[in-house]
Amino acid sequence: DTAVSQTPKYLVTQMGNDKSIKCEQNLGHDTMYWYKQDSKKFLKIMFSYNNKELIINETVPNRFSPKSPDKAHLNLHINSLELGDSAVYFCASSLGNQPQHFGDGTRLSIL
Amino acid sequence: AQSVTQLDSQVPVFEEAPVELRCNYSSSVSVYLFWYVQYPNQGLQLLLKYLSGSTLVESINGFEAEFNKSQTSFHLRKPSVHISDTAEYFCAVSEVNNAGNMLTFGGGTRLMVKP
Repeated sequence: DTAVSQTPKYLVTQMGNDKSIKCEQNLGHDTMYWYKQDSKKFLKIMFSYNNKELIINETVPNRFSPKSPDKAHLNLHINSLELGDSAVYFCASSLGNQPQHFGDGTRLSIL
Repeated sequence: AQSVTQLDSQVPVFEEAPVELRCNYSSSVSVYLFWYVQYPNQGLQLLLKYLSGSTLVESINGFEAEFNKSQTSFHLRKPSVHISDTAEYFCAVSEVNNAGNMLTFGGGTRLMVKP
């Protein structure tokens, strides 16, 4: 199926751990994104990559490091997880100014 | 920088009644406008978009939205809602010619359709 796929869907871990979330799109898009949705459903952009290059890096702690090995992948690595990192993280992709397609999200819970 | 305001956090409505979800934006440049829908425990799905042309845009499931530049609004409407329309609805904007194509979202409106 053509889609934006994220793994894992759920991630439960302890404070202080390091974790990664993977994202892949097979839509042939040239731009990929990471968004964070907090417990009040508010969505905020974190990063945007165009053709493997960082375009947008909003005010995000440097514990968060995106990695784009190729145009179809944008992974998110998080170091030293904190309670406030608990959220749903969405990956998205787009081509030019066309609408963004979203993955199903990764629900991160910090114990 | 742009911002999006969705005035209603929750909208309860009876099945088959009409509904309007309000969205206002602020931007110093031209924008593209979007409505996304999020069903429980799912990702966001594009409902409809305004990029250019006719200011009234429609979706395949009966929703429509009208871009009003003078009022900087992009309200979403449906003449008759179904139980299955119960979801969270997000209005979003991105700046025209923005290299990063970043979306700025409103706070969301929870549409609750009651039988």
